[in-house]
Amino acid sequence: DAGVIQSPRHEVTEMGQEVTLRCKPISGHNSLFWYRQTMMRGLELLIYFNNNVPIDDSGMPEDRFSAKMPNASFSTLKIQPSEPRDSAVYFCATQGEANEKLFFGSGTQLSVL
Amino acid sequence: DQQVKQNSPSLSVQEGRISILNCDYTNSMFDYFLWYKKYPAEGPTFLISISSIKDKNEDGRFTVFLNKSAKHLSLHIVPSQPGDSAVYFCAAGGGADGLTFGKGTHLIIQP
Repeated sequence: DAGVIQSPRHEVTEMGQEVTLRCKPISGHNSLFWYRQTMMRGLELLIYFNNNVPIDDSGMPEDRFSAKMPNASFSTLKIQPSEPRDSAVYFCATQGEANEKLFFGSGTQLSVL
Repeated sequence: DQQVKQNSPSLSVQEGRISILNCDYTNSMFDYFLWYKKYPAEGPTFLISISSIKDKNEDGRFTVFLNKSAKHLSLHIVPSQPGDSAVYFCAAGGGADGLTFGKGTHLIIQP
């Protein structure tokens, strides 16, 4: 298995633009998580899905953020409109069973100018 | 309120010596704990874990200790090697809610 695949690796955009981050989970993993990493707050959980259903989105910072998982092999995190303070590294991670380790993708480095 | 705390943003250790990274947690519901290692421009990778029913788990040069009464865990790396230089994240979980991470400790191994 190729692991968790995220795209793009880097995204530079201007304030006000829409940004879409993509994630392909490990095949067979039932849970998918979106994390954001910043210097100030470390790794924060934004939202997670179980069997494609959003379970907890309490970590999503604002209504500008939305996430979908239309099927078991694809998820998106969208920011509309983007702001400079959204600049961070966004990680997708998946988990096979509860109480097991998470497998992370390589992340998307987002810069909003 | 941070449920998982790593109070040392950075740690410098001489090659060959022991590296000790510390982590404290506040949520008594956490029942398993993990350490992740992260190199620049890469995602975190799993290093070692421990269940709340144990107080020690060892894997080669890496040992994790858990003190439930103090809500404290630590990662020992011995001997430390240059390739161990990375950011180490402590994480805790319970059930199917994913993991709660600390802010990380940047370990620097000096030759």
